[in-house]
Amino acid sequence: DAGVTQSPTHLIKTRGQQVTLRCSPISGHKSVSWYQQVLGQGPQFIFQYYEKEERGRGNFPDRFSARQFPNYSSELNVNALLLGDSALYLCASSNPFQATNEKLFFGSGTQLSVL
Amino acid sequence: DAKTTQPPSMDCAEGRAANLPCNHSTISGNEYVYWYRQIHSQGPQYIIHGLKNNETNEMASLIITEDRKSSTLILPHATLRDTAVYYCIVGRYGNKLVFGAGTILRVKS
Repeated sequence: DAGVTQSPTHLIKTRGQQVTLRCSPISGHKSVSWYQQVLGQGPQFIFQYYEKEERGRGNFPDRFSARQFPNYSSELNVNALLLGDSALYLCASSNPFQATNEKLFFGSGTQLSVL
Repeated sequence: DAKTTQPPSMDCAEGRAANLPCNHSTISGNEYVYWYRQIHSQGPQYIIHGLKNNETNEMASLIITEDRKSSTLILPHATLRDTAVYYCIVGRYGNKLVFGAGTILRVKS
């Protein structure tokens, strides 16, 4: 079975631009979470979506938004890019039939560079 | 969510057990201890989690002290492929994880 897939793998943007990152969860997983990982630090939680509804949001500005589609894939959008948005963006999916203490399956991420 | 404290780095000889400590003195009664690892250029990988009992799976063992204020992740026979950053995370929900800086484990031949 395919794991979590993210696209693109690498992206270069300039300040002020907008970017859309995509994630396909493992088949059967209805929950998708997004994390930002700045170089040298652990991942930081951005959003969680379950059944197309936002179920959690981390401490990120409104420039960050996301959505989940009927097929449970997800997009993360970042507007008005800043240099500090340069990071590895990770998507994770989880099994809906486990309890809330479920384990996450991560993709390999999208490396975003803002120049 | 409770905070965790981990050593920044550790070395381990190949074939020996790797014991990674984690302190979580402010853990609440309904919070779990999760361990993930991240190999260079990959996303984090789930290893194991537990509430208060010791847990074991095909990857590792998790030993949680009786007062739940600390835990140890044990990789019984470390290989070079176990070189990674290991994250100890405490939280109630496994889908909203708060990662710290983790421990860099270097397995050496």
